[in-house]
Amino acid sequence: DSGVTQTPKHLITATGQRVTLRCSPRSGDLSVYWYQQSLDQGLQFLIQYYNGEERAKGNILERFSAQQFPDLHSELNLSSLELGDSALYFCASSPWTSGRSHYNEQFFGPGTRLTVL
Amino acid sequence: GIQVEQSPPDLILQEGANSTLRCNFSDSVNNLQWFHQNPWGQLINLFYIPSGTKQNGRLSATTVATERYSLLYISSSQTTDSGVYFCAARGRGAQKLVFGQGTRLTINP
Repeated sequence: DSGVTQTPKHLITATGQRVTLRCSPRSGDLSVYWYQQSLDQGLQFLIQYYNGEERAKGNILERFSAQQFPDLHSELNLSSLELGDSALYFCASSPWTSGRSHYNEQFFGPGTRLTVL
Repeated sequence: GIQVEQSPPDLILQEGANSTLRCNFSDSVNNLQWFHQNPWGQLINLFYIPSGTKQNGRLSATTVATERYSLLYISSSQTTDSGVYFCAARGRGAQKLVFGQGTRLTINP
């Protein structure tokens, strides 16, 4: 158990719908990352928050958005869902976010498996 | 940005065999991690190893940062070692981990 929790574990929805994925980081970690794992694209970085502020953005679609709340949990919102959005979505956390230190090690949650029908 | 390549893509071994998985990265790194993705999809941290050598039971890893590669060694393989092994690197000044395509390891009894 990494200490990172994600809900729900599984989500089945229809095209055009909107869903919210939730992540709670490890106790004390300020940085939260979202990654998407799909069969054709592999594991890809979406977005990162550090202590409530957006810190880095990857290839995140405009239909997707995220935020980190004062209690440090994060939510990833996916809207106007398409079949191609079906994937495993991971949240990861780390204490820090820069430099070379084991405090930058990222720990991953169990993931949310999203199926869009 | 940094690129990460893993080899081999697939590896099939008998229980008890040893294996070496390789990860090449294209630039200097501040973070290099190895993960095992089990059949349930969970990513398990194996090593944080931007340089040097570490050991944890039957697993060990070595990163030669100057030559931009890392190796994961698995000794006396067990069927529970099956799964996909990912290497991921974070370049200097970057925030994200960039993942390789993984090595799918199958250990047969």
